[in-house]
Formats: sequence, C-alpha cells, structure tokens
Amino acid sequence: DVKVTQSSRYLVKRTGEKVFLECVQDMDHENMFWYRQDPGLGLRLIYFSYDVKMKEKGDIPEGYSVSREKKERFSLILESASTNQTSMYLCASSLANSLGYTFGSGTRLTVV
Amino acid sequence: GENVEQHPSTLSVQEGDSAVIKCTYSDSASNYFPWYKQELGKRPQLIIDIRSNVGEKKDQRIAVTLNKTAKHFSLHITETQPEDSAVYFCAASSPSGGSYIPTFGRGTSLIVHP
Repeated sequence: DVKVTQSSRYLVKRTGEKVFLECVQDMDHENMFWYRQDPGLGLRLIYFSYDVKMKEKGDIPEGYSVSREKKERFSLILESASTNQTSMYLCASSLANSLGYTFGSGTRLTVV
Repeated sequence: GENVEQHPSTLSVQEGDSAVIKCTYSDSASNYFPWYKQELGKRPQLIIDIRSNVGEKKDQRIAVTLNKTAKHFSLHITETQPEDSAVYFCAASSPSGGSYIPTFGRGTSLIVHP
C-alpha cells in the first residue's frame, strides 16, 4: 500500500515566518503534488513535480515555492507566511502515465 | 485550462434514499473522471472513476455516468447509509506530459441522517 506521509498534522506559525511543509512517499512515484484545501473552494493545485529537480506551477503558486531534491520528497515552502495562507495542505503522488493519485493525510497550517 | 463545476455544495438525505451529485467540465480533451470521498479529518480517497470511452460504471451501491456530448458526469449513491456521510469531489483530467493532472470540483458535503 502506497504511503504518502506529511510530517506535521497541525502547524501554527507567525506572520512573516518561513515555513516548510514536508511530504514523503515510499513507492518510487515520479509525480508529486501540493494542493490547498479550503471550505467551498475544493482542492486547488499549488505546484507539482514530474521528476527530481523539476517543478511546474499549478493554479495558485503565488506566495509559495517548492523543492524536490530527492525523488521521494517534495517540500512546499512559504517564504513569508501570511494569514491568508491559513489552510489545509494536501500532498499527493502518482506514477508517471498513471491515472491514480494517493493523498497524504494533510497538514493544517494556521498563520497568526 | 479545465474548469469543473460541482453541484450541489450540500446534500442532506435520509438513510436509504438515493443521492446524486453532478459535475460539468469545460475541456473536451478531458478523458478521465475520478470521484474522491473525504471523510472528516481524513485524506481524500478514490471511490470510483470512469474513462471517456465508457458511459456508465457501477460498483455495488455507487455508480458514475458520463455524457461526453454535454460534458457532464454524475455520481449516484443508492440506499445511502450514515457512513456515506463525507465530502465528495469530482475531477476531470487529460494527459499532460504523459501524466494526468486532475482539476477538482469544489466538493459536495453529503449528510445521511439515520
């Protein structure tokens, strides 16, 4: 069974802090994704990566960056956290050319 | 890009009733339509999907229908049970660089009353 693990379940950070959200998958998936989930807005794609050191912008990349130095790990970075980035963040992964997605359990980030 | 509209945003039914959630999409190139269920505090999980060469697919109490001409697809749950209560997301996706990047609807909160 594929596991997508997000390092923190809950996180509270202060405005202006640099925040790292970590995601690790254990099934050698090529593709990894970061989504933001807000009530009434569904799942919105922030960034995704097809391979190590590769990244593509999703629908809402502003205020975020990503890093993929190893195949199994995909990090989401908030350079200077703001209160409007308070949200649930979901990581997902999939094999190249595969239809199936596996989601992590999510990190609920609160910026105060 | 793709745009997926999902309705209703909230659906309340009595146990044993049927529930229907509808989605429309805009990109005629989309050819894969998954549905995800997210229980409270848990991760979204794939419950059923359909490809564009099929009009209907069933798995026990759940079914999905697809009308490519009208660009809409629906999730049908029969004989609903309290454990069906969750948020359901539809998605539409087309191949991009060899992989599928789904665009999600905004979700439907289904509440099944015992």
